Amino acid sequence: AQSVAQPEDQVNVAEGNPLTVKCTYSVSGNPYLFWYVQYPNRGLQFLLKYITGDNLVKGSYGFEAEFNKSQTSFHLKKPSALVSDSALYFCAVRDSNSGYALNFGKGTSLLVTP
Amino acid sequence: ETGVTQSPTHLIKTRGQQVTLRCSSQSGHNTVSWYQQALGQGPQFIFQYYREEENGRGNFPPRFSGLQFPNYSSELNVNALELDDSALYLCASSYVPERTGELFFGEGSRLTVL
Repeated sequence: AQSVAQPEDQVNVAEGNPLTVKCTYSVSGNPYLFWYVQYPNRGLQFLLKYITGDNLVKGSYGFEAEFNKSQTSFHLKKPSALVSDSALYFCAVRDSNSGYALNFGKGTSLLVTP
Repeated sequence: ETGVTQSPTHLIKTRGQQVTLRCSSQSGHNTVSWYQQALGQGPQFIFQYYREEENGRGNFPPRFSGLQFPNYSSELNVNALELDDSALYLCASSYVPERTGELFFGEGSRLTVL
């Protein structure tokens, strides 16, 4: 079975500081990993994905994520946070051995303060 | 904006009633999937449709059913509504059913069951 864990319900960071939102996963085959962002009362917006290749993946709005196979992690990062980055962030995984469902974590609320 | 549109945006039903939610996929996309997002949780996979047939289903009872039409739009039907069905229902489309592809989500339909 595939699953995702986001250990932090909320992350607080000051504007201009680097941010990290953590994600760990569990799959039986190869992982296909995704990050999405959700603003209040809106749908999910795709940020980036890891399928294979370079462990550092760059995405939208200056976000990047680092795939670490030994630690089964896929943490989302940004060098300098903006107040407008405040939102709910979801990590999701598909397993190469299973179907098409995206398994989402429960989400991490990011609050960037001025 | 992703080009995926959902209707209605909000609706209120009572227990035992039936509801139909609608989704128009992004231009060029032939695969539609539906997710349920309960308050404070990540989205949960309901099912996926490709070429008008269901080709994947999550852990949801048969009273959750769907359709995909020749123009790739889709409906989610829920019969015998229960209080726990209150949630944001998200439709997502993609080019083809593949495990490596990202999903493009609509804004969602928020269902309240009283």
